[in-house]
Amino acid sequence: DTAVSQTPKYLVTQMGNDKSIKCEQNLGHDTMYWYKQDSKKFLKIMFSYNNKELIINETVPNRFSPKSPDKAHLNLHINSLELGDSAVYFCASSQLNRGTQYFGPGTRLTVL
Amino acid sequence: ILNVEQSPQSLHVQEGDSTNFTCSFPSSNFYALHWYRWETAKSPEALFVMTLNGDEKKKGRISATLNTKEGYSYLYIKGSQPEDSATYLCASAGGTDKLIFGTGTRLQVFP
Repeated sequence: DTAVSQTPKYLVTQMGNDKSIKCEQNLGHDTMYWYKQDSKKFLKIMFSYNNKELIINETVPNRFSPKSPDKAHLNLHINSLELGDSAVYFCASSQLNRGTQYFGPGTRLTVL
Repeated sequence: ILNVEQSPQSLHVQEGDSTNFTCSFPSSNFYALHWYRWETAKSPEALFVMTLNGDEKKKGRISATLNTKEGYSYLYIKGSQPEDSATYLCASAGGTDKLIFGTGTRLQVFP
């Protein structure tokens, strides 16, 4: 049983398209996150939701919009994709804010 | 220190060597310090969470210590094995709701 799952694992798309990445956790956690692994391999927080409420919104272009239909899901929608959006995106969840985070397998997004 | 910093950036050791690396974090408003192990093409996996000054945690051949007053943590690996090769990330939870991740120490263990 996968604790934190993401789909798709790979996403290749053209510049200007709109795409979504889905994340689901079956751990019963209250908090979910989106991270971007940048070109230098650093993990940067993008968003965090606690019980479907947005609690962290870092300086991310507003082309990125997270949506949490329930506390087990946190999806990431990206409008008007740009070349610089190419990266690996990780979803994570934790029981508490600042608690141990469990990461999904990552989604490698390539924008051509 | 405003950020979480790790050193060295990378490390190459022979199988059987013991090794250690450092995580420096802001000591003010400290809440918790996390260590994660991140293998290539996989996702980060939690190793330890430490909250108290002087905490020591151990998992097999890997152990960690914490000094919250001076803002550092050490991760030790005893008798490194090739399967220990990974990037080791630390993350500090301070006065905000988020974890701030360090840039990682990339460990490569040669047989």
